[in-house]
Amino acid sequence: DVKVTQSSRYLVKRTGEKVFLECVQDMDHENMFWYRQDPGLGLRLIYFSYDVKMKEKGDIPEGYSVSREKKERFSLILESASTNQTSMYLCASSLGQGRTEAFFGQGTRLTVV
Amino acid sequence: AQSVTQLGSHVSVSEGALVLLRCNYSSSVPPYLFWYVQYPNQGLQLLLKYTTGATLVKGINGFEAEFKKSETSFHLTKPSAHMSDAAEYFCAVSEFPGNNNDMRFGAGTRLTVKP
Repeated sequence: DVKVTQSSRYLVKRTGEKVFLECVQDMDHENMFWYRQDPGLGLRLIYFSYDVKMKEKGDIPEGYSVSREKKERFSLILESASTNQTSMYLCASSLGQGRTEAFFGQGTRLTVV
Repeated sequence: AQSVTQLGSHVSVSEGALVLLRCNYSSSVPPYLFWYVQYPNQGLQLLLKYTTGATLVKGINGFEAEFKKSETSFHLTKPSAHMSDAAEYFCAVSEFPGNNNDMRFGAGTRLTVKP
């Protein structure tokens, strides 16, 4: 079975902190994604990566950056956390070219206080 | 970029009744379409997908969806709702061929099943 693992289920951080959310997949997938999920807004794409060291902005990249140094790992970075970044963050991976479904991690519920 | 609209943020049905969750998409090239389900405090799980071929797609847990190109729709149905179907459902679209490998999701529909 494909496994996408997010490093934390729950996280509480202070305003202004630099926050790292880590995601690892074990199926050699080319694509990896970070979404945030908010009630009534569904999943909004923050960034995606289609290869090592390659990244593309999604719909809401402001305030975030990403890193993909190895194929299996995709990190989301909040440079200076703010309260409006309190949300559920979901990582996903898929094979290339959009042919197949994305496999999701369990999510990280981040609270910024 | 491609996009998805899910009509109805909340749908309530009685146990045993038909489930119909609506999804319309926008895509400049032939789309790949997906339905996912999310149970509380969990990630998303694939229900079914359409890539090419037969337009009526069957998925897990008795769900199915029909791709209608002329209506740009991919509605999800289940003939008889079960209490365990209560969850949030997301429709998603991915474009291929194209430069995008990203997948875009709708806002979700929360399904409630009444006894």
